Amino acid sequence: DVKVTQSSRYLVKRTGEKVFLECVQDMDHENMFWYRQDPGLGLRLIYFSYDVKMKEKGDIPEGYSVSREKKERFSLILESASTNQTSMYLCASKQQNIQYFGAGTRLSVL
Amino acid sequence: GQNIDQPTEMTATEGAIVQINCTYQTSGFNGLFWYQQHAGEAPTFLSYNVLDGLEEKGRFSSFLSRSKGYSYLLLKELQMKDSASYLCAVREGISGGYNKLIFGAGTRLAVHP
Repeated sequence: DVKVTQSSRYLVKRTGEKVFLECVQDMDHENMFWYRQDPGLGLRLIYFSYDVKMKEKGDIPEGYSVSREKKERFSLILESASTNQTSMYLCASKQQNIQYFGAGTRLSVL
Repeated sequence: GQNIDQPTEMTATEGAIVQINCTYQTSGFNGLFWYQQHAGEAPTFLSYNVLDGLEEKGRFSSFLSRSKGYSYLLLKELQMKDSASYLCAVREGISGGYNKLIFGAGTRLAVHP
């Protein structure tokens, strides 16, 4: 069974804090992704990675960075959290054509 | 530009059939996906169409017409557990580089007794 695990289901942070969202997959997938999901907008791609230490910007990378030091782990970093980054964050990894998603982290920035 | 349209909400009766439509306009096309997402849970893969026609998988079927930029997801013998959001996503076909997924906003389906 494919498993993508996000470390936190809910997070509450303050404006200006540095925030780390962690994602781990146990399927040896090369490609991993970070999306945010907002009502009425669908999933939007923030960053993706196709190999260890490799990263590519998605559609909305501003205010975010990522880290992929090991194949199984892909971290999303908010350098200085802002209220407009309050959202649901979804991690995914890809095998052949299909992306498999984690359950999401609902982040609130106050 | 990129645009994927699907209805925001639908309701249906248990045991009935429902069709969720998706129309798209993208820079290129390299496949269309349907995902199911229950509230508070991960989206889960339902179907993938890359050629025109109908793909059937149990109670769920997905249809694609590339010339019309149109797909639908057909759910038969509806069950209460089918109440969820259904996400349509198109994979862009761009030569070189990564073929990313573009998602619609999702259709929230409510199944009632």
